[in-house]
Amino acid sequence: DAGITQSPRHKVTETGTPVTLRCHQTENHRYMYWYRQDPGHGLRLIHYSYGVKDTDKGEVSDGYSVSRSKTEDFLLTLESATSSQTSVYFCAIKRGGGTDTQYFGPGTRLTVL
Amino acid sequence: GENVEQHPSTLSVQEGDSAVIKCTYSDSASNYFPWYKQELGKGPQLIIDIRSNVGEKKDQRIAVTLNKTAKHFSLHITETQPEDSAVYFCAASGSGAGSYQLTFGKGTKLSVIP
Repeated sequence: DAGITQSPRHKVTETGTPVTLRCHQTENHRYMYWYRQDPGHGLRLIHYSYGVKDTDKGEVSDGYSVSRSKTEDFLLTLESATSSQTSVYFCAIKRGGGTDTQYFGPGTRLTVL
Repeated sequence: GENVEQHPSTLSVQEGDSAVIKCTYSDSASNYFPWYKQELGKGPQLIIDIRSNVGEKKDQRIAVTLNKTAKHFSLHITETQPEDSAVYFCAASGSGAGSYQLTFGKGTKLSVIP
């Protein structure tokens, strides 16, 4: 357990509505990541953050934005949700000390109707 | 960017037998290779990892081997048990200019038959 919580754990929304997912960590790690998981695609990086207000794009960033106003929270926003964004979203943190090891949260299942 | 291929996509073994999952990567600069186990409805859990300065690493029934020349690495599970049934993911990292990004394989669903 890396002290990561995600909220909500499940969400059903309609096409065109904005959605924000929250990742919260309790251990003050600098690096945080958002992934999506889809059958046949494994885990794909959406965005990551390397500090407060420091973020960068991953492999599948189109249609997503992120914000990190404090160390413990990393928010993922779908400005106008589409059915192709139906997925399971995972947040991860990287512990310090130069290691690459990432630890994952429990996930958020998002369904866009 | 990095590309990670994982095989097989599904694997069924009898309890007590061994299971082997193989991954190849494309970026020769990658230097860190973790393996994750994901049970239904949960997030991926790190089970073992290896760095490029090591050829093999073991942890009880689990071992990982790395061949840098061929750019492939493998997960070996011996004496499989029903609780080993899960989806396993390999990943590679190391060349992302400090971003510590992981690129994942597409996963292997392991079923251990009692």
